[in-house]
Amino acid sequence: DSGVTQTPKHLITATGQRVTLRCSPRSGDLSVYWYQQSLDQGLQFLIHYYNGEERAKGNILERFSAQQFPDLHSELNLSSLELGDSALYFCASSVMTANTEAFFGQGTRLTVV
Amino acid sequence: QKEVEQDPGPLSVPEGAIVSLNCTYSNSAFQYFMWYRQYSRKGPELLMYTYSSGNKEDGRFTAQVDKSSKYISLFIRDSQPSDSATYLCAMSAIGSQGNLIFGKGTKLSVKP
Repeated sequence: DSGVTQTPKHLITATGQRVTLRCSPRSGDLSVYWYQQSLDQGLQFLIHYYNGEERAKGNILERFSAQQFPDLHSELNLSSLELGDSALYFCASSVMTANTEAFFGQGTRLTVV
Repeated sequence: QKEVEQDPGPLSVPEGAIVSLNCTYSNSAFQYFMWYRQYSRKGPELLMYTYSSGNKEDGRFTAQVDKSSKYISLFIRDSQPSDSATYLCAMSAIGSQGNLIFGKGTKLSVKP
């Protein structure tokens, strides 16, 4: 167990809908990273938050947004969902801003139908 | 050319074999190199982390980084069926602020 908790584990929703994925980092970790894993693209970095502030953006679509709350948990919001958004979404956390030792959660499997 | 290339396999070896997994990369700014193991339907688990060039050993696992060739390796000695998983290399540059670039992973199967 990495100590990173993601909910829900599975999510099935229809095209056009909006969903929220939640992540609780390891105790003491200030950084949260979101990744998308699909069969064709592999693991793709989406966004990084450190202590409530956005630090870096990767290949994140404009339909997606994230935030990190004062208690350090983070949420990833996905809207106007398309079939191609079906993927595993992982959250990872680390102590500092460097991602050298990031620990991953178990992921949320999103299926858009 | 993708920033990180990794042979997807699958790679099948008998129990006890030495396994060699490799990645090549194109970005000379990469300084941090990691290997993750991912079991089916689970999150990636950090196995090894190396800064810059050199070797690092941890039990049956050895990570090597050759920055001059832009090539990294993970060796698994005395492989076990429990090592069967997908192995992902990942790397990042100083100041990249969390942007880990992953290879697509090599699927390894260790047969008893």
